[in-house]
Amino acid sequence: QVQLQESGPGLVKPSQTLSLTCTVSGGSINNDDYYWSWIRQHPGKGLEWIAHIYFSGKTYYNPSLQSRITISVDTSKNQFSLQLSSVTAADAAVYYCARGGRYGDYVAYWGQGSLVTVSS
Amino acid sequence: EIVLTQSPGTLSLSPGERATLSCWASQSVRSSYLAWYQQKPGQAPRLLLYGSSNRATGIPVRFSGGGSGTDFTLTISRLEPEDFAMYYCQQYGTSPWTFGQGTKVEIK
Repeated sequence: QVQLQESGPGLVKPSQTLSLTCTVSGGSINNDDYYWSWIRQHPGKGLEWIAHIYFSGKTYYNPSLQSRITISVDTSKNQFSLQLSSVTAADAAVYYCARGGRYGDYVAYWGQGSLVTVSS
Repeated sequence: EIVLTQSPGTLSLSPGERATLSCWASQSVRSSYLAWYQQKPGQAPRLLLYGSSNRATGIPVRFSGGGSGTDFTLTISRLEPEDFAMYYCQQYGTSPWTFGQGTKVEIK
């Protein structure tokens, strides 16, 4: 059973860069059959897809965030990461890492989520 | 981007009753690439259905889905106590992937 675990600072200052890492266990990230993704949820709100990446390096970004996003894969550590630059209070949310499905680009597995607060 | 609108916002029902949740898309969802997720407070979402009607592994048969084009439905045939939660639809046919705003199924 694939498991995903987010890690990173829970507090980021405005204008700085938010950095999160997702560690994958129970399966290898070295597989282009599905993507590795970041999704966020603002407090009490719905879900927003941020980006996803395949092992091969192919990436897809939400156009609303694309200019501020960097997503990467570290196969040696079975991890993938998100960097979101120039954060504001609007970026405060629970950030989920996730894995795509075997039969399509739905989200098959989710991490437990990492709460990120933006404050000076 | 495709906007998904879920209806109703809140559904108040009793255990044992049937729940019907709707998800409308602002444009046709390619190949019925629509998924449904359940989320309980403090937890990550859980995949229920993909491809409009395919149950994910371990999902009880009381959960069913259907629809195509712009109109999709999630049905819970008989509500169990553990089914009271938020439900989200998601389209993954056209980038950017988008989610509906959610339907809360609460105990009446």
